[in-house]
Parts: sequence; structure tokens; C-alpha cells
Amino acid sequence: AQKVIQVWSTASRQEGEELTLDCSYETSQVLYHLFWYKHLLSGEMVFLIRQMSSSTAKERSGRYSVVFQKSLKSISLVISALQPDDSGKYFCALWELVYQGGRALIFGTGTTVSVSP
Amino acid sequence: EAAVTQSPRSKVAVTGGKVTLSCHQTNNHDYMYWYRQDTGHGLRLIHYSYVADSTEKGDIPDGYKASRPSQENFSLILELASLSQTAVYFCASSPDWGNYEQYFGPGTRLTVL
Repeated sequence: AQKVIQVWSTASRQEGEELTLDCSYETSQVLYHLFWYKHLLSGEMVFLIRQMSSSTAKERSGRYSVVFQKSLKSISLVISALQPDDSGKYFCALWELVYQGGRALIFGTGTTVSVSP
Repeated sequence: EAAVTQSPRSKVAVTGGKVTLSCHQTNNHDYMYWYRQDTGHGLRLIHYSYVADSTEKGDIPDGYKASRPSQENFSLILELASLSQTAVYFCASSPDWGNYEQYFGPGTRLTVL
């Protein structure tokens, strides 16, 4: 079963608008981390922002911010003031701590974003 | 300057042939990872390593071997390539487990015919 779910496979917006990308996840762990990555058209995978399960702070990095609803096991990436360069594929990823020491990232299937000038 | 590089960037291989994908990082990171990406899927972990001369199995290790001869280099080896191994392969590095972001290479597109 998919542990990280990104329901929307595509999203389109105009330059200057705001976009919210949704991600839901499954975990039984108390401590876990959530990441957002962007897969550029060039092939590069770029880290955007991180949310720790133990943090109540509203994480923000430049035009990126997250809406973390821990009780719903949901995290959304908000991109403000969209630019055409924001086009690409966005992945949500879960890292969870287990007894043996942890595991690597579990990725969602991604949402392809297209921003028109 | 790219800190994680992969070679080749693309490759066409024949079924049953041997394929080696190489990854080099200049981040001085202990952890390195190999993922594959298939259409309609996210990235899935194949193998990882946290120290030179040691590798660990990830979520989908069958049909793959890995080699970490040095901190900087991490290879993925397909001894007998199969059609089902057609995918894009990503290498990544990170300082440690946990809440450290991973730094990805540009990916290698492998087509097995």
C-alpha cells in the first residue's frame, strides 16, 4: 500500500498566483520527517522544505511554506507568487524512525506543475 | 558546481547484459543512496550505504548489487539486465539519516531492450 499519497498528478496555474499541493501519508511512528522535493525539467532533484513531526512551527523557505495537519496526517506545500520556473514535478517524501535506526525516504508519485506566463 | 554526479546520463542495454551505473559525490557525506523512478511511481530505494566498503539493501534490491569502494563513489550493478529494469535511476547523498535533506544527482535514464 502506498504510504505517501499525492492525489493530484497535475496542476496548472498562471504566473503570480498561489498553488497548494497536497500530500497525505501513513505512519505509526511518533517521530518522522516530511520533505518536499522538486524534480526539474533538467533532471535535477532539488530539496525545497522540511517538516519535523515534533515541530509546531510553520515552516517557510522563501516562497515555499507548508501547512502541516498532523492529526490528519496531511502536509501541503504552498508556493506563492508563482513563476514559470516553478514548473516541474513536486514530490512529497516521508522519513520515519524505526527501532533499527531509521530508513530512507519514501516518496509519493509526484504532482506535475505547469505555470503559464 | 554539481556535488553529486552520475554517469552515464543515459544508456541502452540489452537483456541479459551487465550494466554499471556510477555515482560520485563531493559533499563529504557518509550516506549514499540509489533510487529508481518509474512512470506513475515515486522514487523507490534500491540500495544504500553509510560507510565505504559496506552496502545495505533498500526496499527493492532484487536484481541489483551495489558497491561503495570509497566515500565518494557508489555504483549500482545490474548483473543480468531485464526489461523490467528500464527506469530512471537517481543517486543521492546525505550527511546522516533523519531530518537531513538528500542531495540528488541528475539521474540516469536506462533502457533495456
